[in-house]
Amino acid sequence: DTAVSQTPKYLVTQMGNDKSIKCEQNLGHDTMYWYKQDSKKFLKIMFSYNNKELIINETVPNRFSPKSPDKAHLNLHINSLELGDSAVYFCASSQGGWAYGYTFGSGTRLTVV
Amino acid sequence: GESVGLHLPTLSVQEGDNSIINCAYSNSASDYFIWYKQESGKGPQFIIDIRSNMDKRQGQRVTVLLNKTVKHLSLQIAATQPGDSAVYFCAENQSSGYSTLTFGKGTMLLVSP
Repeated sequence: DTAVSQTPKYLVTQMGNDKSIKCEQNLGHDTMYWYKQDSKKFLKIMFSYNNKELIINETVPNRFSPKSPDKAHLNLHINSLELGDSAVYFCASSQGGWAYGYTFGSGTRLTVV
Repeated sequence: GESVGLHLPTLSVQEGDNSIINCAYSNSASDYFIWYKQESGKGPQFIIDIRSNMDKRQGQRVTVLLNKTVKHLSLQIAATQPGDSAVYFCAENQSSGYSTLTFGKGTMLLVSP
């Protein structure tokens, strides 16, 4: 039973399209995150939600809009996709915003052509 | 901004050798550190953590050392196995309030049989 699951695992799309990535966790955590991993494997926080409320937004273009319908789900919608959006996006969760027990999903590889 | 960094981007070792992966951090307010292992096509997985009130912590075949004086972390893997081949990240966190993990650049560990 996967703790943090993301769909889809792979996403190939054309520039200008709008796409969504879904994330669900069954750990009972109240905090969820989106990270972006670039081609050099560098991981950078994008957003953090606690109990459906946005806590952290790390200077991400407003084409990226996270949505948390409940504390077990955090989806990422991206409008007007650009080539530079190509990356692996990881969802993660933790309890109380603490780093201890941080759990990552297996990632979504987004390729914009 | 302040960030965590690694000295070696790639480390190649023979099976059975001991491996040491290093990491320098610059945020003196960080008080919790984690090492993650990321295998190809997967999300980062927790290996071992250490709090700033400790200078050494041991797990199964892994040891983390923390030197707060020079802001340096290391991960030691004993009797390295081919299954240890992966990208390793250190991450830092300030445990007060809601915070996110700040990741350093990864180190690729390649273990030859």
